[in-house]
Amino acid sequence: GAGVSQTPSNKVTEKGKYVELRCDPISGHTALYWYRQSLGQGPEFLIYFQGTGAADDSGLPNDRFFAVRPEGSVSTLKIQRTERGDSAVYLCASSLGGLAGRSTYNEQFFGPGTRLTVL
Amino acid sequence: AQSVTQPDIHITVSEGASLELRCNYSYGATPYLFWYVQSPGQGLQLLLKYFSGDTLVQGIKGFEAEFKRSQSSFNLRKPSVHWSDAAEYFCASISNFGNEKLTFGTGTRLTIIP
Repeated sequence: GAGVSQTPSNKVTEKGKYVELRCDPISGHTALYWYRQSLGQGPEFLIYFQGTGAADDSGLPNDRFFAVRPEGSVSTLKIQRTERGDSAVYLCASSLGGLAGRSTYNEQFFGPGTRLTVL
Repeated sequence: AQSVTQPDIHITVSEGASLELRCNYSYGATPYLFWYVQSPGQGLQLLLKYFSGDTLVQGIKGFEAEFKRSQSSFNLRKPSVHWSDAAEYFCASISNFGNEKLTFGTGTRLTIIP
């Protein structure tokens, strides 16, 4: 079956511009995660959706970053007034999700990422 | 807050040689630990995970890892590496089920020489 897809694969923009990054999760996966991977670093958590709602947005670095998932499937990460420091690979992952406090683990499946370059 | 540390930025091994990649965790309760591999142009792939029970866990592609609470370590091993194992390897952890946001180490880049 189809895995997690992310578009575009590469995005080059100018400082100060607005960008949107899209994630299509695996069909039926209710949980969706965004991570950011800067050069030479491991991925860092940004935000987690369970269904349509953001269950944890503690990783968003500031209010220029925002993400939505209006129908509980596709998610869009939005970055306003981009800065050169926003240059990174943005990764999306999805899993079966479920209620907090459960005793089983649902594996996250990662997309190939969107490489964002801010000039 | 939980964290994982990978002390080796880059490791080079000969094809056919054994491999050990180090990972140390810092977490008060029982950690849930993972190893991921990231090949160029591909997404992160889960190699193996440890939650509880047998401290030696087997994964895909011939990898294994051993959880050692006394050393706060979860090192990844492979008896004989192949050129296709060249990639970036990440140790990661989560703190609970339900919100399984991963905390990653900084990664170890593995180079294989003929």
